Amino acid sequence: NAGVTQTPKFRILKIGQSMTLQCTQDMNHNYMYWYRQDPGMGLKLIYYSVGAGITDKGEVPNGYNVSRSTTEDFPLRLELAAPSQTSVYFCASGAGYEQYFGPGTRLTVT
Amino acid sequence: GQQVMQIPQYQHVQEGEDFTTYCNSSTTLSNIQWYKQRPGGHPVFLIQLVKSGEVKKQKRLTFQFGEAKKNSSLHITATQTTDVGTYFCAGALRNTGKLIFGQGTTLQVKP
Repeated sequence: NAGVTQTPKFRILKIGQSMTLQCTQDMNHNYMYWYRQDPGMGLKLIYYSVGAGITDKGEVPNGYNVSRSTTEDFPLRLELAAPSQTSVYFCASGAGYEQYFGPGTRLTVT
Repeated sequence: GQQVMQIPQYQHVQEGEDFTTYCNSSTTLSNIQWYKQRPGGHPVFLIQLVKSGEVKKQKRLTFQFGEAKKNSSLHITATQTTDVGTYFCAGALRNTGKLIFGQGTTLQVKP
């Protein structure tokens, strides 16, 4: 099993550009999550999903969108990127409360 | 909103010394989890505590969950250089599947 995979690993965006961060899990987990981690800080929940077709906002959803059309995939969409969205983005999945994290995407917006 | 506070933010210890990080929640938690993140890595699940007053051990690591299920601690005995990283507590909110992460404690160990 690959676990949780994320692409890309690194990305530089210009202000106003858009992009999609991909996340796939092969553990058949119902729960999936997107977090952002700013330097020296903890993890802030952006969006989460409790199953295919169901998504909900976390603590910091502004500027992001998600969809969950399958159990495996949970892409995160950034529209009109801003410098404040420079961060490391982690996707995670779980069957209950324990969460398994992907390797992260380091995003810089300049 | 719900908050989980973690102290200290940083800790530098000499190899062989003990280390403790503390976690406090503004609300009663369903359970609490601990994660470790190595520099440049991703968080990795260590343990989950569910019962009031629960104590669990993993080799040199001891985890406690408070009686009121609002606080927790992680204690490492005789630290080693392999213990370096950031330790996060994460409080689970009942029936949501969501975790509220503390800010983390970054541990540096001098050999």
